[in-house]
Amino acid sequence: AQSVTQPDIHITVSEGASLELRCNYSYGATPYLFWYVQSPGQGLQLLLKYFSGDTLVQGIKGFEAEFKRSQSSFNLRKPSVHWSDAAEYFCAFRWGSGNTPLVFGKGTRLSVIA
Amino acid sequence: GAGVSQTPSNKVTEKGKYVELRCDPISGHTALYWYRQSLGQGPEFLIYFQGTGAADDSGLPNDRFFAVRPEGSVSTLKIQRTERGDSAVYLCASSPIKGTNTGELFFGEGSRLTVL
Repeated sequence: AQSVTQPDIHITVSEGASLELRCNYSYGATPYLFWYVQSPGQGLQLLLKYFSGDTLVQGIKGFEAEFKRSQSSFNLRKPSVHWSDAAEYFCAFRWGSGNTPLVFGKGTRLSVIA
Repeated sequence: GAGVSQTPSNKVTEKGKYVELRCDPISGHTALYWYRQSLGQGPEFLIYFQGTGAADDSGLPNDRFFAVRPEGSVSTLKIQRTERGDSAVYLCASSPIKGTNTGELFFGEGSRLTVL
């Protein structure tokens, strides 16, 4: 069955340090991949998405993600974390075009310390 | 409105009661989705609509859950005979139809349901 795995439940990083959040998917073909962020009391916001082409995609708030087909991964990165980045991050994928629903991972909670 | 609007933002009810949650999508968005998010979990798909019809309701957990979208805009998620395990945040999202839509879902802030 199609699924997406986020192995890290909770990550703590220091402000200014680099960040990488892991995401792996299980699907027979290349899916459409997304990263969303959820801040307390707010709705899910799209950070970036990958459909095809360049495997390194840039998103909002200084985030980027790299699609690696050989590893079935789509890890999210940021070179320098800000305190305001503390939130819950969700990887998601869709197995077809059109409006098929997104399948979400369980999320990774990011804490940022001074 | 500018974004997806969900009401109520918070609902506390007693076990066995009936509940309705409303979603008003972004104007012009023809696809509408309902998800459920339990504490510490990612959003779990329930149902999605293309226009007025349910295109996929495979995520509805049982027949106590039902959703409608009679005019292709506002949707209502209905839960009968609520159980404590129904307590969660119910998220609504919408998306425009494009030729080959691979775009994002736009989410509301959710309706938090607590069943006592």
